[in-house]
This record gives sequence, C-alpha cells and structure tokens, in this order.
Amino acid sequence: GIQVEQSPPDLILQEGANSTLRCNFSDSVNNLQWFHQNPWGQLINLFYIPSGTKQNGRLSATTVATERYSLLYISSSQTTDSGVYFCAVDQTGANNLFFGTGTRLTVIP
Amino acid sequence: NAGVTQTPKFQVLKTGQSMTLQCAQDMNHEYMSWYRQDPGMGLRLIHYSVGAGITDQGEVPNGYNVSRSTTEDFPLRLLSAAPSQTSVYFCASSPMTVRGYGYTFGSGTRLTVV
Repeated sequence: GIQVEQSPPDLILQEGANSTLRCNFSDSVNNLQWFHQNPWGQLINLFYIPSGTKQNGRLSATTVATERYSLLYISSSQTTDSGVYFCAVDQTGANNLFFGTGTRLTVIP
Repeated sequence: NAGVTQTPKFQVLKTGQSMTLQCAQDMNHEYMSWYRQDPGMGLRLIHYSVGAGITDQGEVPNGYNVSRSTTEDFPLRLLSAAPSQTSVYFCASSPMTVRGYGYTFGSGTRLTVV
C-alpha cells in the first residue's frame, strides 16, 4: 500500500516562530488533506490540497503532486497551534484516507 | 450543533463483551467511516460507507461489524472485545459529490478492554 511519511516527528517552537512540516507519499494520489489534532484529541480539517497552494490565515499548504510531497507552513506560531498535524491521502477515489504518523508540535510561550 | 456526534466518549469493557459505538451526522453526508487511533500512530480505516445500505471494509476490519440503515447513522459493533481493540475510535463523514471537502470527524470514543 501507499506509504505516507511525515517529518519531523516532533517539533518544539518558541511562540512567534515559523515552521514547515513535510509529508512525502509513495504513489500518486487524488486527495491530500492536512488535519490538526488538538491536545484534547479533536481532529480539525485544515486543508484539502491534492495540488497547488492554499492559504488560510497564518497557515498555508503546498502540494507538488508530480514530486509526491506536500508542505504545511505555520507562521507566527501561537500556543494554540500545539498538537499533532496529520497528512492523509486517498489514492483510490473512494474518499478513504490513509494517514501518516504525524508531526507533534509544541509551541512554548 | 451540526456535525458528527459519537457516543459514548469513554467505555471500559471486559474481554469477550460486546458493545456498539454510535455515530450520527446531521449534514446529509453520503460518506461515513470509522477509524481507530493507537498511541503514536495515525488513524487507520476500519469500515466505511458511501450511502445507506452500502458498507465496505477498510484497512483493519477484523473484529468489527457495521451497518448503514439511514444516511444519518453509522454504528460500529464489537462482537467479542479483545485487549487489542483498546484504542480511540473516530467516526468521520463527508459529502461524496465534492470529495475531500467537508471531511468532519467526531470527538472520539476512548475504549479500554481489560
């Protein structure tokens, strides 16, 4: 099956710093999404981005489908950004997502 | 509030007991699915449904049954609980017409099997 690798596995930032999270996938996909799991366990959909670039406030994402990677940028990080960020892909078109193991982000004041 | 509702939030079972995890959505989404999340791992797909009366297996279906009699509800049944099924379970839904958009997760059910 498809492999989804996220890096780094852990990241500690000072509040206000910027960061880049990476997601590599081993095969072509027709759906790629980024999720944030907050410290209480809730999963929030950040981006649906099978290709191209999108921005939402301090967060932006870029997927280069031909090179099989996606990047999530977090600018001016805040303590509320803490949690685990997951990349998830679907290659079947059935809307089923295959998740990476996540990047755990800790933002310290 | 619109969204995906899961019950219960916490459950402790003894090995061999059965139970049903409930999931309901009020967004008229065709697609619903169940995932499990184990410590330090991403989510893995158990079962999914693309509409009422249609279900299929995901990556880790063994030990679980599902049914979809209505668009709104997608219960997950554990017939004979095992310690290996200790996990956090998430239900998700999304529209099929515009795939990828509107993917919404419930708040999860933390299940412990002793």
